[in-house]
Amino acid sequence: SYELTQPSSVSVSPGQTARITCSGELLAKNFARWFQQKAGQAPILVIFEDTERPSGIPERFSGSKSGTTFTLTISGAQVEDEADYYCHSEADNNLGVFGGGTRLTVL
Amino acid sequence: EVHLVESGGGLVQPGGSLRLSCAASGFIVSANYMSWVRQAPGKGLEWVSVMYRGGSTYYADSVKGRFTISRDNSKNTLYLQMNSLRAEDTAVYYCARDTGANWGQGTLVTVSS
Repeated sequence: SYELTQPSSVSVSPGQTARITCSGELLAKNFARWFQQKAGQAPILVIFEDTERPSGIPERFSGSKSGTTFTLTISGAQVEDEADYYCHSEADNNLGVFGGGTRLTVL
Repeated sequence: EVHLVESGGGLVQPGGSLRLSCAASGFIVSANYMSWVRQAPGKGLEWVSVMYRGGSTYYADSVKGRFTISRDNSKNTLYLQMNSLRAEDTAVYYCARDTGANWGQGTLVTVSS
């Protein structure tokens, strides 16, 4: 089965740069995206097609990919960015795959 | 404005069935690919199923043969028929549009005796 691996937690101070990684073989061939989920809420798309940011998402959110590693960078993280972040992509058999999620703490 | 509203969740006994609905507004369901994603209590997101514009469907191994995704174009609604439910299917079920640009608020399915 295809897997995407994320660190379980990342912690930064307000104003610092937060980087969350997602690794997996399927990333080398397929677009990936990042979702932000705050407690009790539905996920929100923050990055799609590896590097694109939907309208309404702050510019401090950016995505990059190198080989089989996909990275979400939050430049100047804010307290309101504290949330769970999930990467997602599709395997060659059209099945979707989520990473296990990363809890971002900003304090 | 795009809206997705899930319904149909509830308490069901193991082995039972439920049909979830995802009513869409602001866009045409059949012109997009639509997914179901679930989240067990305190756990991460799990991809469940997708229906593409042309009608092709795919399922996670954990639900294949038990769940069926479908749509009613006249009602602009996506469905998930869930049969032979197990305790491990307990989760909030979300529908999502395309790459996940839009999600519903979710509906809770609890499988318990």
